[in-house]
Amino acid sequence: QSALTQPASVSGSPGQSITISCTGTSSDVGAYRSVSWYQQHPGKAPKLMISDVTNRPSGVSNRFSGSKSGNTASLTISGLQAEDEGDYYCASYTSSNTWVFGGGTKLTVL
Amino acid sequence: QVQLIESGGGVVQPGGSLRLSCVASGFTFRNYGMHWVRQAPGKGLEWVTFVRYDGSDIYYADSVKGRFTISRDNSKNTLYLQMNSLRVDDSAMYYCAKNFNYYNMDVWGEGTTVTVSS
Repeated sequence: QSALTQPASVSGSPGQSITISCTGTSSDVGAYRSVSWYQQHPGKAPKLMISDVTNRPSGVSNRFSGSKSGNTASLTISGLQAEDEGDYYCASYTSSNTWVFGGGTKLTVL
Repeated sequence: QVQLIESGGGVVQPGGSLRLSCVASGFTFRNYGMHWVRQAPGKGLEWVTFVRYDGSDIYYADSVKGRFTISRDNSKNTLYLQMNSLRVDDSAMYYCAKNFNYYNMDVWGEGTTVTVSS
């Protein structure tokens, strides 16, 4: 159950777009439409931002979007805002009937 | 509103036991699978365990298999995590989370802190 691979940090200026990658294997990310993305602010619980690779839950800004190609999923945030700063985690269901998270990416809005 | 409230965390010596609880409100608890997810201080999220809505299927991370037991009481809208043979590296914030559409976790509690230390 190795963690999915995410960049440790990304940054962007307000108004710009950034993309966070999440690389797994054919047993997790590549196997199902089961990738989800979570935002976490310091001292707070995680918040679901994207479900099932591309779906945005009610209340989540349409500036957030998800995609997947092969064993790599991506989260794109367009029109960066200061409030987007925080940690982002991807997660995937696996063929072993478990879930696995990525190591997390710290987003800094410059 | 939809809410999950964890309790039961605390300080325990290595080898000890704790039982965490998670009380659900604002949704039909018996219809949803539930997860426990933990986060060690300054570290990332780690999935721990899952139980299907009716308790028929239960899955564990290798790191806790044989030591932790997830269970639920749908009559009390409550999820549990029995943690035995605790180790220092089990120290973390433990979150319960509601499963959504098979694979996702759409509602999270605020967490309860477990510290394993001598």
